[in-house]
Parts: sequence; structure tokens; C-alpha cells
Amino acid sequence: EVQLVESGGGLVQPGGSLRLSCAASGFTFSSYWMSWVRQAPGKGLEWVANIKQDGSEKYYVDSVKGRFTISRDNAKNSLYLQMNSLRAEDTAVYYCARVLDYGGNPDAFDIWGQGTMVTVSS
Amino acid sequence: IQLTQSPSSLSASVGDRVTITCRASQGISSYLAWYQQKPGKAPKLLIYAASTLQSGVPSRFSGSGSGTDFTLTISSLQPEDFATYYCQQLNSYLSITFGQGTRLEIK
Repeated sequence: EVQLVESGGGLVQPGGSLRLSCAASGFTFSSYWMSWVRQAPGKGLEWVANIKQDGSEKYYVDSVKGRFTISRDNAKNSLYLQMNSLRAEDTAVYYCARVLDYGGNPDAFDIWGQGTMVTVSS
Repeated sequence: IQLTQSPSSLSASVGDRVTITCRASQGISSYLAWYQQKPGKAPKLLIYAASTLQSGVPSRFSGSGSGTDFTLTISSLQPEDFATYYCQQLNSYLSITFGQGTRLEIK
């Protein structure tokens, strides 16, 4: 079964750090771009970051540039999001997602994890 | 690239035909996807490349459009279709955005 399982969420104080993990199974992880998407409570979806199959390209939404780092370990079939200098507005459910790409351009996010909640509060 | 969905919310009955629109602030060819999300659940991919139905998605869902104007149509609403729908532009890996969502409620 194709599956993504996130972990690492929790309560953290403003200015603190947290590392999210996403474990992939049921597909060849190293063949896909991967993404993180977040959803603040009661709000819509926001793309956070993308990473290429070999980790050589990484892109971020402006609001997290310089604070968040996306990475991956293909040997462990795992995706990560290191979040530093956290702010109250980073409070959200964080999803990892697999990127569907049929021709060198992203087509959609076809597989999603169940999400992990990050709460930034004192 | 900004995406504007309309309406933001919609009330409809089982069996109704429903259309949701998504307008991009600049042309994105056909790099548009549609998702369905139910409360407490991850989004589910319905349509990609503006009009390609994802495997396993019922044929009552359809998508159309290119450039800046796109639509998602549900031909005959079923009870399980009441959810929030999002469009997403994927013109480039450098920046990806979602619409603000359309909440579909039972009338």
C-alpha cells in the first residue's frame, strides 16, 4: 500500500524549533519530488516547500524562507522539515505529499499523509 | 500566481449539478488540479492537468479550462460529495499555490 506517515509535531514556544518527519512506503521514494503543505486551524491549504528526487533543488514559500529547511534521506525513504524560529502563525497541520510529474512539470499532489499538528504558543 | 475560487460557499441538494470556478492571476496553461477535503482528513486529488480524472474518482466529477479560467463540475451531487474543494496551480516547482477553498454544504 502506498503510504506517507508524518510524525514530530507538538507544542513549541515562539522562537523554538521542531523537526517533522515523513515516512514513505509502497513506492520508489527516490523517484519522486516531495512536498510539505500546511493548513492553519479553520483555514485553507498552503504549500510550504518542494524537494527534488536527489535533493539538489529545494523551493519554499516566502513566509518560511530562511527559517525552514526541507531535506530527504532516500536510503531511509524519509522526508523531513526542519522548522526554526517558529512563530504563532506557523501553527497548523503539516502534511507531506508526493508530487505527480508526468513531463518535467508538477501535475498534482497525488498521495498525502494524515498530517501532524504543530502548535506554536507560550 | 494567485488563485481565486468562486463561490466561497455553496448550498446544494443531492442530485444537483454544481460548478465551482477558479481564476488564476496569470496564465498557467493546464497546470491546475482540484482536491476534495473532508473535516479532519487530508485532501484527496480529484483532477489534474485541468481535466484528467485521477484513478478511482467517480466520473460525475469533471474539470475544464486552460490559461486563467477553470471549472470543476459535479454532475449529480451525492451525499459523500459534501466537503471543501480546492484548486491548485502547479505552473512551476518554484511556487505552488492553492485557491481559498469552496465549502459545499447540504441545502
